[in-house]
This record gives sequence, structure tokens and C-alpha cells, in this order.
Amino acid sequence: DARVTQTPRDKVTEMGQEVTMRCQPILGHNTVFWYRQTMMQGLELLAYFRNRAPLDDSGMPKDRFSAEMPDATLATLKIQPSEPRDSAVYFCASGLVRNEQFFGPGTRLTVL
Amino acid sequence: GQNIDQPTEMTATEGAIVQINCTYQTSGFNGLFWYQQHAGEAPTFLSYNVLDGLEEKGRFSSFLSRSKGYSYLLLKELQMKDSASYLCAVFSGTYKYIFGTGTRLKVLA
Repeated sequence: DARVTQTPRDKVTEMGQEVTMRCQPILGHNTVFWYRQTMMQGLELLAYFRNRAPLDDSGMPKDRFSAEMPDATLATLKIQPSEPRDSAVYFCASGLVRNEQFFGPGTRLTVL
Repeated sequence: GQNIDQPTEMTATEGAIVQINCTYQTSGFNGLFWYQQHAGEAPTFLSYNVLDGLEEKGRFSSFLSRSKGYSYLLLKELQMKDSASYLCAVFSGTYKYIFGTGTRLKVLA
């Protein structure tokens, strides 16, 4: 039963700390997405990779956020320094181009 | 700009039929997806339309009109477990996935 995994599931941290979220996409999928979801904004695309190359990170605040895919089995999203307004649920999803996305369970981030 | 509109909330009764509308304005079009998201969970795929017309999948159907920039999701024989948010997403001509803010559906007994 192939699924996207994300760690950690919950993270509470203090303002100014670095946060790293990890995602293992489904084997064979060539697209990986990072989304942020809040009650107010809904699901926002932060970054989009195809074949490990970043295609779109226009939705990501570049001064503090960074996204990478060091290999096909790992995608990371880093926030440094974190701020209270970054509190949200962060989803990773993977898929094949033009097909549906499979979402991971999400990381609930709280920045105090 | 690129925009997707959905109603914020809808309420319906168990056993009834409900239609959730989605209108979009995007730079090009390469397909429209519907996802279901239960509270506290991740979105899960429901349907995909790339050509005009109706796609049926059990109790759920999705319709697309590309000329009108319009889609709807039809849920029949509503069950309590259908209470969830329903997200409309467009795969645009610039190969971006754009999500609407979702429609929260409440099914009443």
C-alpha cells in the first residue's frame, strides 16, 4: 500500500528556531509538491518539483523558506527563522504529471 | 490573474443530492480535479475531468464545461460520512496546480 510519508507529524517550536520537514514521495512518482493550509488561506502551493528539479517556488517566501530534493526518495522544506505566522499544516504530495496527487498526512506546525 | 471560486459552505440532508459548483479563470487549462478532505486529514482524490461532459464514479459525478470555465461535483444518496470539505483544483496551461479554498459540506440526519 504505497503512500506519502511525512515527518514530523506535529512540531511546536519557538519563534526564530529552524524547522525542517521531511517527505518521502511514492516510489515512481516524478512530481512532488509542498503545500501550506490554513483556515484563512486554504491550500497554498509553496513548491513544485518535477524529476527532482524545482519548477515553481513562486508561492514560497524566499527569505526564510527553502525546498530541496536531495534524492528521489526525500523532499525537505526548511523554515529559518520561523515566525508565528508560519503556523499551519504543511502537506507534501506526489504524483505523475497530469495525474492526481497523493497527499501525505501533513505536519502541523505551531510557532510560539 | 488566476482564480477559482467555490461556495464556502453547504448543508444538505442524508439521502439527498447535492451539487457543488466551481468556476475558474486560469492561464490555459490542462484538467480539473476534485478532492475530498475530512477535518484533520489530508485531501484525497475524487475525480478528474479534462474533456467536456460528465464523469460518473459510483455516488459521485463530476461535470466540466471548458468554454464556461465551470465544473460541478454531484453527490447522490448523501451519507453522514460525506461531511467534509471538497476542493476544486485546476492544472493550468502553465503547468501549475491551483486549488480553490474549498466547500465545507455538512450532511444532516
